Amino acid sequence: ETGVTQTPRHLVMGMTNKKSLKCEQHLGHNAMYWYKQSAKKPLELMFVYNFKEQTENNSVPSRFSPECPNSSHLFLHLHTLQPEDSALYLCASSQDLGGSGEQYFGPGTRLTVT
Amino acid sequence: GQNIDQPTEMTATEGAIVQINCTYQTSGFNGLFWYQQHAGEAPTFLSYNVLDGLEEKGRFSSFLSRSKGYSFLLLKELQMKDSASYLCAVRDGDYKLSFGAGTTVTVRA
Repeated sequence: ETGVTQTPRHLVMGMTNKKSLKCEQHLGHNAMYWYKQSAKKPLELMFVYNFKEQTENNSVPSRFSPECPNSSHLFLHLHTLQPEDSALYLCASSQDLGGSGEQYFGPGTRLTVT
Repeated sequence: GQNIDQPTEMTATEGAIVQINCTYQTSGFNGLFWYQQHAGEAPTFLSYNVLDGLEEKGRFSSFLSRSKGYSFLLLKELQMKDSASYLCAVRDGDYKLSFGAGTTVTVRA
């Protein structure tokens, strides 16, 4: 595997379910990110981790719970979601925070909440 | 808050040139990025500007004017595979990126 991978690619869940999204980066990067992409809207930054430590929580509801066990893996635990949470959830990584380094994105998980 | 504007859609003919404009009003500025995103795929990095001027990279060029809060992405010799959404993003602090809603470019034969 190369780059940034995400599983599952598609997920349909009910409002009472609990599920988790997984992201793995094979680039040796130190920073990882979760974004939400809704149709026709800008990407919204949700969480940022640097060297496994959370550096940003962009006012995300507590029904989204991130976990970063190491610099290569990032999870997003989901519980009691709402239909408006249906979106594409993108994971990204970068060598470090800031600088000229770009963020590398995974293919995303298309989430549908019924 | 941050405000980043770009056109919603543009259509051009194969072989032509298209210019996608991006204007921004942010609390700070620490670089501007352009990403390409094909439908159902991950955004991929195209360019980075932090100083004023034009950066050329093959068929794609990006321009920045910090005093005007303005950038454009120029796509030359358009190919069908260039049909995609193009995202303008501004780093307004140490690391946080604020994105525009994206411009969907359709290339017609």
